[in-house]
Amino acid sequence: EVQLVESGGGSIQPGGSLRLSCAASGFTFSNYAMSWVRQAPGKGLEWVSSISVSGDSTYHADSVKGRFTISRDNSKNTLYMQMHSLRAEDTAIYYCAKTRGSCSGGTCSYRFDYWGQGALVTVSS
Amino acid sequence: QSVLTQPPSASGAPGQRVTISCSGSISNIGSNSLNWYQQLPGTAPKLLIYNNSQRPSGVPDRFSGSKSGTSASLAISGLQSEDEADYYCAAWDDSLNGHVFGTGTKVTVL
Repeated sequence: EVQLVESGGGSIQPGGSLRLSCAASGFTFSNYAMSWVRQAPGKGLEWVSSISVSGDSTYHADSVKGRFTISRDNSKNTLYMQMHSLRAEDTAIYYCAKTRGSCSGGTCSYRFDYWGQGALVTVSS
Repeated sequence: QSVLTQPPSASGAPGQRVTISCSGSISNIGSNSLNWYQQLPGTAPKLLIYNNSQRPSGVPDRFSGSKSGTSASLAISGLQSEDEADYYCAAWDDSLNGHVFGTGTKVTVL
């Protein structure tokens, strides 16, 4: 059974830093890309970052580029999100998601096929 | 900000059919596969439809998806009370080089 368990959330002041972790089990972690998706209170879903199988390629939404860094440790089956210069608008539940798919012939077919339960990050003074 | 547009709400009586639309552009829906996610109250999202119309194992065939051009739709037939949830469409966007989600639709069973 696929399990994704986020940790590291909490309350932090604006400008602070936080690192989220996502422990994966039930599948071969090193064979799949991974992503972070967040959801502000009462709002919709927003993709944040994705990382390739090896970790060589990373992608970030413009809203977090330069402040957040996604990484992974395949030896520990763990995904990370290092967050710096946090703002009030970063307050959200952060979900890690197993990511499948690829681009072929000009068409990209990616999907988030399993999600963790989420970690709440609150940025407030 | 969401790039894909959905109606904020939809509703139907038990047993009825409900359809949710998702409108995008050539850089996302028009070029790439579309997925749908279901988020039950207080829980994490769950993959409902992938590659426009495929259902993951365990998803009832009451749920179906389709895509045409830069728009897509999710249909729920034989609506049940447990279908009350928020539904989001999503796709890869070539211009943004990232994933984009729809604005979300809250489905209410009357």
